[in-house]
Amino acid sequence: GAVVSQHPSRVICKSGTSVKIECRSLDFQATTMFWYRQFPKQSLMLMATSNEGSKATYEQGVEKDKFLINHASLTLSTLTVTSAHPEDSSFYICSARPGEGTYEQYFGPGTRLTVT
Amino acid sequence: GQNIDQPTEMTATEGAIVQINCTYQTSGFNGLFWYQQHAGEAPTFLSYNVLDGLEEKGRFSSFLSRSKGYSYLLLKELQMKDSASYLCAVSDSNYQLIWGAGTKLIIKP
Repeated sequence: GAVVSQHPSRVICKSGTSVKIECRSLDFQATTMFWYRQFPKQSLMLMATSNEGSKATYEQGVEKDKFLINHASLTLSTLTVTSAHPEDSSFYICSARPGEGTYEQYFGPGTRLTVT
Repeated sequence: GQNIDQPTEMTATEGAIVQINCTYQTSGFNGLFWYQQHAGEAPTFLSYNVLDGLEEKGRFSSFLSRSKGYSYLLLKELQMKDSASYLCAVSDSNYQLIWGAGTKLIIKP
């Protein structure tokens, strides 16, 4: 149990275009989902925390107008990278937490974004 | 501020034992996690400690001392497939994970 999927797994886009990444909890309801970014040979960096039905909470230094997060249901959160640039190329990973006060986060397989 | 420290890289020999240390300073504590991450893949859960002591799970064990702000991950009978990065993360008072930078473990034959 506790499977999280991400789509797409890889995407290549041109500079200036927007890319949407989906994160789904397949067999549980996720009240909270997290979006991380990871550059090569670096650790995970939390970008934002999203709770179903409310606005996402962004970490310091993350532009909320550039990285749009929508947590429309208890099983789906989306991250849209708007007007992507080559420096946005990274590995984007989502995770989902089943309920409040629980400790476990389940990770999706990640999305490799390359902006040319 | 919040801080998680772990060594950047370690090397060990196949069949041997290796201990990866993690020290932390966080606002609140709701448990410490160890994750394994192979290159190009998402992290996978290894262990969770919230009380002091040793948790054993097959070849992997994890130890926690809350008074010292210290944990270690012990890997026994190392296999080549254990070559990966090992991430230490602490759940703070808001149940948000604070991540260490990860320890890259290189296994040599």
